Amino acid sequence: GENVEQHPSTLSVQEGDSAVIKCTYSDSASNYFPWYKQELGKGPQLIIDIRSNVGEKKDQRIAVTLNKTAKHFSLHITETQPEDSAVYFCAASRMDSNYQLIWGAGTKLIIKP
Amino acid sequence: DGGITQSPKYLFRKEGQNVTLSCEQNLNHDAMYWYRQDPGQGLRLIYYSQIVNDFQKGDIAEGYSVSREKKESFPLTVTSAQKNPTAFYLCASSIAGSGDIEQYFGPGTRLTVT
Repeated sequence: GENVEQHPSTLSVQEGDSAVIKCTYSDSASNYFPWYKQELGKGPQLIIDIRSNVGEKKDQRIAVTLNKTAKHFSLHITETQPEDSAVYFCAASRMDSNYQLIWGAGTKLIIKP
Repeated sequence: DGGITQSPKYLFRKEGQNVTLSCEQNLNHDAMYWYRQDPGQGLRLIYYSQIVNDFQKGDIAEGYSVSREKKESFPLTVTSAQKNPTAFYLCASSIAGSGDIEQYFGPGTRLTVT
């Protein structure tokens, strides 16, 4: 079955710098890759997603890139701000499992003032 | 406000007791999900329901049960058969049961069993 590995588990960056979180997946049939942000005491919230027919997607300071050959995808946050501090989860899903999501273990992002 | 509510936020139970976690949504979503979240691990799917009166087991359904009698409600029962029930439980919903669309999460219930 699908397995998603996420790195690093903790990332500390200076405010204003960029942050990059990487995920690898095992099943080449996976075709949908969302990123969720979980703030303290709250449930995860979708921040960006990408499908396998696209290599990159941007939304303001957030971007996701997908390398299907290498089976990895990354979240890029530029000009980090204190409100970016949270736990970020990647996930992968495949059509033949009814698109059920397999989640990475999460990355705790700390923005230092 | 539309959203998903889970209650209570914290729940304490003695070992051997069944406990039911509440999940209600007013988003008019067809699909609902229950996940378990443990430290250092990703979310793991317990059960999901794509339509009223129907539900399917996820990856870790053993020791759990659900019902979907109403579109708005998807309660999860943690039974005494669940060997390690202490965890953070998240409920989610989506417009349809296809996992390639946004899932909306509730704030979670932290269950402690001693």
